[in-house]
Amino acid sequence: DGGITQSPKYLFRKEGQNVTLSCEQNLNHDAMYWYRQDPGQGLRLIYYSQIVNDFQKGDIAEGYSVSREKKESFPLTVTSAQKNPTAFYLCASRSGISTDTQYFGPGTRLTVL
Amino acid sequence: QKEVEQNSGPLSVPEGAIASLNCTYSDRVSQSFFWYRQYSGKSPELIMSIYSNGDKEDGRFTAQLNKASQYVSLLIRDSQPSDSATYLCAVIMYNNNDMRFGAGTRLTVKP
Repeated sequence: DGGITQSPKYLFRKEGQNVTLSCEQNLNHDAMYWYRQDPGQGLRLIYYSQIVNDFQKGDIAEGYSVSREKKESFPLTVTSAQKNPTAFYLCASRSGISTDTQYFGPGTRLTVL
Repeated sequence: QKEVEQNSGPLSVPEGAIASLNCTYSDRVSQSFFWYRQYSGKSPELIMSIYSNGDKEDGRFTAQLNKASQYVSLLIRDSQPSDSATYLCAVIMYNNNDMRFGAGTRLTVKP
């Protein structure tokens, strides 16, 4: 069953803690993306990776970090430096073909207590 | 100018009416365009792609593309309450192959 999985579905964090959100895909896609979505707002790009062992900052990378050690996995760490991390986090992947679109995982809802 | 712009909405239509969602983009040489639907609390799901000028129909959905005007639209015929969602327009930028999203238009279909 091909697709993108994200875990956990819901995550609660205390202030000052780092947390890591998981994203795994078995679509054999080269590119992977992390977005943040606040209530009633659009998607904002945090980080993206077009190939293993390489990644680039998106529009709102401050307070976040990523790694891409395997093609299938692109975990996102929300650090304590991110001052307002409560949001809905979406992972997406895409093949390298120029006409192909992105496919999204189910998302992780992060709440800071 | 934003790379992808959509009507801010919200858009409200009665059940059975045609809903029209609009999107403009800045990269005049972009070739690939997509519409996603996002229900509240869920992730976006792809509903239409369009690459050539003109209309593309899929059931009650019709995507329209006009590259000369840098304009893409989505028509939903016979709108149903289950169509109530936010609709995102996405464009692949030709120069760097990046996908950019509009902010979305919230549609409400009233019974």
